[in-house]
Amino acid sequence: GAVVSQHPSRVICKSGTSVKIECRSLDFQATTMFWYRQFPKKSLMLMATSNEGSKATYEQGVEKDKFLINHASLTLSTLTVTSAHPEDSSFYICSARGPGGSYEQYFGPGTRLTVT
Amino acid sequence: DAKTTQPTSMDCAEGRAANLPCNHSTISGNEYVYWYRQIHSQGPQYIIHGLKNNETNEMASLIITEDRKSSTLILPHATLRDTAVYYCIVRVDISYDKVIFGPGTSLSVIP
Repeated sequence: GAVVSQHPSRVICKSGTSVKIECRSLDFQATTMFWYRQFPKKSLMLMATSNEGSKATYEQGVEKDKFLINHASLTLSTLTVTSAHPEDSSFYICSARGPGGSYEQYFGPGTRLTVT
Repeated sequence: DAKTTQPTSMDCAEGRAANLPCNHSTISGNEYVYWYRQIHSQGPQYIIHGLKNNETNEMASLIITEDRKSSTLILPHATLRDTAVYYCIVRVDISYDKVIFGPGTSLSVIP
């Protein structure tokens, strides 16, 4: 099946710094990608929909200036957590709509962010 | 998207069938039933989906009731590697549709 990768898999950063997480569709083009965050023992929460060549659509309550999303190519979307705080520590997961007109979504392995 | 209701947790003996129920009584006619699972600290994995007919693939079977208000995911011979959180989701099959996750069912396969 289609493969989605994320980089890095784990990252530790200091409070106040910014960190970028990459989401790549490895063997297909994805015009739409989605970003989720997940706290321990909780379900995934959709943060935003990333559209290639246009602005991302954020879910209610998600700060667009804090979580910057760039979908500059058909295989790459990035999520930048700006001015990170310890409460931003979470598991961030992306997904991409499948190839060839498929409506299926393929999920990346996730990125564990720890803000100290 | 319609809401779904799933048990919080279930146990299953290794080698036995795991039957995971899901209620979706407000499902619309154009909404599909999807199942995903998430093994600890990994991204979700697609399992199966269906509209109204029962479906089977190499991973599982999906049984949807005739009125479509509930469904059951069946793992025919559960293994320890099937221990995961299983999410039942209903959604419209359109290109920009989001996948909204509920709390899911935490399945523990016991040796």
